Amino acid sequence: AQKITQTQPGMFVQEKEAVTLDCTYDTSDPSYGLFWYKQPSSGEMIFLIYQGSYDQQNATEGRYSLNFQKARKSANLVISASQLGDSAMYFCAMREGGFKTIFGAGTRLFVKA
Amino acid sequence: KAGVTQTPRYLIKTRGQQVTLSCSPISGHRSVSWYQQTPGQGLQFLFEYFSETQRNKGNFPGRFSGRQFSNSRSEMNVSTLELGDSALYLCASRGSGYNEQFFGPGTRLTVL
Repeated sequence: AQKITQTQPGMFVQEKEAVTLDCTYDTSDPSYGLFWYKQPSSGEMIFLIYQGSYDQQNATEGRYSLNFQKARKSANLVISASQLGDSAMYFCAMREGGFKTIFGAGTRLFVKA
Repeated sequence: KAGVTQTPRYLIKTRGQQVTLSCSPISGHRSVSWYQQTPGQGLQFLFEYFSETQRNKGNFPGRFSGRQFSNSRSEMNVSTLELGDSALYLCASRGSGYNEQFFGPGTRLTVL
């Protein structure tokens, strides 16, 4: 069965510093996709970044990068140069060959001024 | 391009009532998924529709049902509401690409 684990319920980071949010996953399907979403207090889920299981390069989108280690089944999100507006819940998610996406429990990030 | 829209944004119902939530996907997107988010259970997949057909269903009781119309708009219905159904219900739409799924702002349902 699919499983997504985010072991950090909460994280603090100083403004302008980088932070890594951990995500490990478990699947037996060789074809899958990994996503990170940001959820501010308003509740909307904002798509950040995607990594396909066959992608050779780590995905990057602006200040977001995904550290994909396939053998370890980890897909950590790295946010560089944190901003106050980055304070939010962050969810790691996975979709296998089908259409169901499962989410981790989330990590709440607090950016300190 | 307009994003995913959900109506209503907020809803208050009492136990035993039923409720219908609506989701309009991004123009051109044919896949719509529904999720329930609660503090205790997190984000849980309800179902996904593509071209008016349900393609996948999560582990929810039969009180939760949905449908999709020919214009890709989707509705979700919950009958005989229970207190535990209080949650944020999120809808997501996906186009032909595998790598994106965009969410709407959600409907916050409170059951009293």
